[in-house]
Amino acid sequence: GENVEQHPSTLSVQEGDSAVIKCTYSDSASNYFPWYKQELGKRPQLIIDIRSNVGEKKDQRIAVTLNKTAKHFSLHITETQPEDSAVYFCAASKPWDQGGKLIFGQGTELSVKP
Amino acid sequence: SAVISQKPSRDICQRGTSLTIQCQVDSQVTMMFWYRQQPGQSLTLIATANQGSEATYESGFVIDKFPISRPNLTFSTLTVSNMSPEDSSIYLCSVEGRGEFTEAFFGQGTRLTVV
Repeated sequence: GENVEQHPSTLSVQEGDSAVIKCTYSDSASNYFPWYKQELGKRPQLIIDIRSNVGEKKDQRIAVTLNKTAKHFSLHITETQPEDSAVYFCAASKPWDQGGKLIFGQGTELSVKP
Repeated sequence: SAVISQKPSRDICQRGTSLTIQCQVDSQVTMMFWYRQQPGQSLTLIATANQGSEATYESGFVIDKFPISRPNLTFSTLTVSNMSPEDSSIYLCSVEGRGEFTEAFFGQGTRLTVV
């Protein structure tokens, strides 16, 4: 089955610096790669996603890149702020009609120090 | 995105008892999912709940322990049966988005503590 590996498990940066989180996936049929942010005691919230037909997507300070050949994708957060502190999860999925279901990485606890 | 209501939000239960968690969506969805998130851990898929058919369970999860109902396209329940302290966890329901890709939205979760 699909397996998603995520690194690092913890990441500490200074406010204003950039943060990068990396994930690899095993199933080449996967075509959808979302990123979720989970604040303490709250539900995971979708922050950005990328589909397999594009290599990069950006939304303000957040960007995601995808390398299908290498089967890895990354989350980039620029100009980090203390409110970016949370646990971030990557996930991968095949299409719904191929039994699609989200498989999550292990999570990265990001701490942004003022 | 769909509005998902999950209840209870938290509960403390005695070992050996069962708890049923409810998930209500404000629109009809084909697929609903149940996840478990153990303390400090990632989300692990328990099963996919399909309306009109048996739920599909992931490796390591069985119907006798986690029976699921899906009576219609807006509602599902997950029961945690014969609970032990190892079942203490957050349980989340999730529904897919409306596009062709597997976007998913989560309920607020049920924090279960078994004593």
